[in-house]
Amino acid sequence: DGGITQSPKYLFRKEGQNVTLSCEQNLNHDAMYWYRQDPGQGLRLIYYSQIVNDFQKGDIAEGYSVSREKKESFPLTVTSAQKNPTAFYLCASSETYQGYTEAFFGQGTRLTVV
Amino acid sequence: AQKVTQAQTEISVVEKEDVTLDCVYETRDTTYYLFWYKQPPSGELVFLIRRNSFDEQNEISGRYSWNFQKSTSSFNFTITASQVVDSAVYFCALSEAEGDSNYQLIWGAGTKLIIKP
Repeated sequence: DGGITQSPKYLFRKEGQNVTLSCEQNLNHDAMYWYRQDPGQGLRLIYYSQIVNDFQKGDIAEGYSVSREKKESFPLTVTSAQKNPTAFYLCASSETYQGYTEAFFGQGTRLTVV
Repeated sequence: AQKVTQAQTEISVVEKEDVTLDCVYETRDTTYYLFWYKQPPSGELVFLIRRNSFDEQNEISGRYSWNFQKSTSSFNFTITASQVVDSAVYFCALSEAEGDSNYQLIWGAGTKLIIKP
């Protein structure tokens, strides 16, 4: 089945550690996105990529890094510089980066700092 | 400035009641797109509908209907004869042109809908 796979579903991180969240899609979509969701809030854009080997910062990129070496993959690293990383992270993709195309989402990764 | 407001944080109704989720947006663009997504407890967002700014026709899809009114900058979502499976968080979002066909989605805070059996 076509879709977006995020792993792991739950992730625990110690203070000062970097962690990487995986996002893979088999929809042949050009654009991919990472969002952060906090309780009672909408989605905030961390990074997006319009095409392979290119990505751009979103509204809250500080403390995060990404790569887009393959069309199918868009991993997100939460670095120790991110002061409040506990949140629900959602990866999405769309056929293009044009605003009329709908996004498809993964099931999310819930990150907790312990 | 672009903004999407979902004033209803949480709505609780009994099964089979009709329920309307409000969405009010702000934009200076004449060309924009409005979306509704559903987020069930499993976490992933599911696309429900897209509407462009030039199409003010209301849409009906089964028990779901959407009322787009540019005069009041609203794009409200109604569920008729609600069911327990409709329980979810619903997000309204706006996409507008920024620079050279460079769209970004602006999200509302979401409305948590609880359908009681």
